[in-house]
Amino acid sequence: KQEVTQIPAALSVPEGENLVLNCSFTDSAIYNLQWFRQDPGKGLTSLLLIQSSQREQTSGRLNASLDKSSGRSTLYIAASQPGDSATYLCAPMEYGNKLVFGAGTILRVKS
Amino acid sequence: DGGITQSPKYLFRKEGQNVTLSCEQNLNHDAMYWYRQDPGQGLRLIYYSQIVNDFQKGDIAEGYSVSREKKESFPLTVTSAQKNPTAFYLCASTRRDRASEQYFGPGTRLTVT
Repeated sequence: KQEVTQIPAALSVPEGENLVLNCSFTDSAIYNLQWFRQDPGKGLTSLLLIQSSQREQTSGRLNASLDKSSGRSTLYIAASQPGDSATYLCAPMEYGNKLVFGAGTILRVKS
Repeated sequence: DGGITQSPKYLFRKEGQNVTLSCEQNLNHDAMYWYRQDPGQGLRLIYYSQIVNDFQKGDIAEGYSVSREKKESFPLTVTSAQKNPTAFYLCASTRRDRASEQYFGPGTRLTVT
């Protein structure tokens, strides 16, 4: 059964820092992997989708990499801002188009 | 505007009552999903449907039921058999191909006392 681990569980940084959020998964037989952002009490917002054949995907200040064979994905956030404060969730997609979620990384960016 | 709507945003029920959560999408997506989120935990899959009139159990289907009579709608019923129903419920949808993103609704917070 797929298990997803996100490290660190929480992170507090001053504004302007570059950040690295880590995600590992146990079963490499995935179709793709999505990174989401969740604000308190809200639904999920999709940030990036990386296909299994891709190594990385970029959107603005966000860059996500995927190493399927080793079961790892990393989300880089450049020049962090207070508005980036949220919970970040990683979810590989497996057979049946089902997402399996990690517990998330709670990010706080201080101004 | 295309998107997923969930209603209501907050729902309160007494123990022993069944309750139905609504999920509607106008994205023309074939597949729809229900997840449950508990504090400090990731989302867990309850039920999913890849096509109208068909659905499959997820990891935590006990105490829940669904129907998929229309492409746009995938209601979730939380029955009295669900032992710990208080949670945040999220609905999602996607196209059926493997390259597609899942999109999420705003969620319904259910409190059972």
